[in-house]
Amino acid sequence: GAGVSQTPSNKVTEKGKYVELRCDPISGHTALYWYRQSLGQGPEFLIYFQGTGAADDSGLPNDRFFAVRPEGSVSTLKIQRTERGDSAVYLCASSSLVANTGELFFGEGSRLTVL
Amino acid sequence: DQQVKQNSPSLSVQEGRISILNCDYTNSMFDYFLWYKKYPAEGPTFLISISSIKDKNEDGRFTVFLNKSAKHLSLHIVPSQPGDSAVYFCAASARETGANNLFFGTGTRLTVIP
Repeated sequence: GAGVSQTPSNKVTEKGKYVELRCDPISGHTALYWYRQSLGQGPEFLIYFQGTGAADDSGLPNDRFFAVRPEGSVSTLKIQRTERGDSAVYLCASSSLVANTGELFFGEGSRLTVL
Repeated sequence: DQQVKQNSPSLSVQEGRISILNCDYTNSMFDYFLWYKKYPAEGPTFLISISSIKDKNEDGRFTVFLNKSAKHLSLHIVPSQPGDSAVYFCAASARETGANNLFFGTGTRLTVIP
């Protein structure tokens, strides 16, 4: 597609449930990022993939959060045993390391609400 | 620890006037700075950037100024238009270290009054 695509756009779940959020980056972009934006805050870095491997996962808050990118394109962010504090908009972004402009292209986000 | 700070949560400006949005950072390793604009229910979109080797970058109505010694940058929009009303995020990265992830401020909500 033309831009970064994220699904679902909205997800409501109950505390303790498992959630998967999907990101389809811009075609050809080798770098993929997950950010989390809580109300009134700026996007907070979670994890960065270069190709299939996680180059930097230092932003993942705890071991309930995990992300994969098995074929170097689509990525899935997985959250186990969700807590109310996980409620936020999860943003995915991609960039071209070839062009290397430093600019990240963001999707519209997946809004997660944990009841 | 917030490495990029936007101390003004909101700003209102009359149409046609200049909007000045400010941003401060603490990490001296940051060498690339960007401004993103965000409308409700949309992802942030890139607006303008500046490398630490420059002190000014201009693109149409938008100009970013960088003061490295003060660890401060600002975005000037002139003339401001109602369509500029959005939340503006300042972001920074330390590209020389090989890190590509961006650190964001908390945003400033700009309202341009017609």
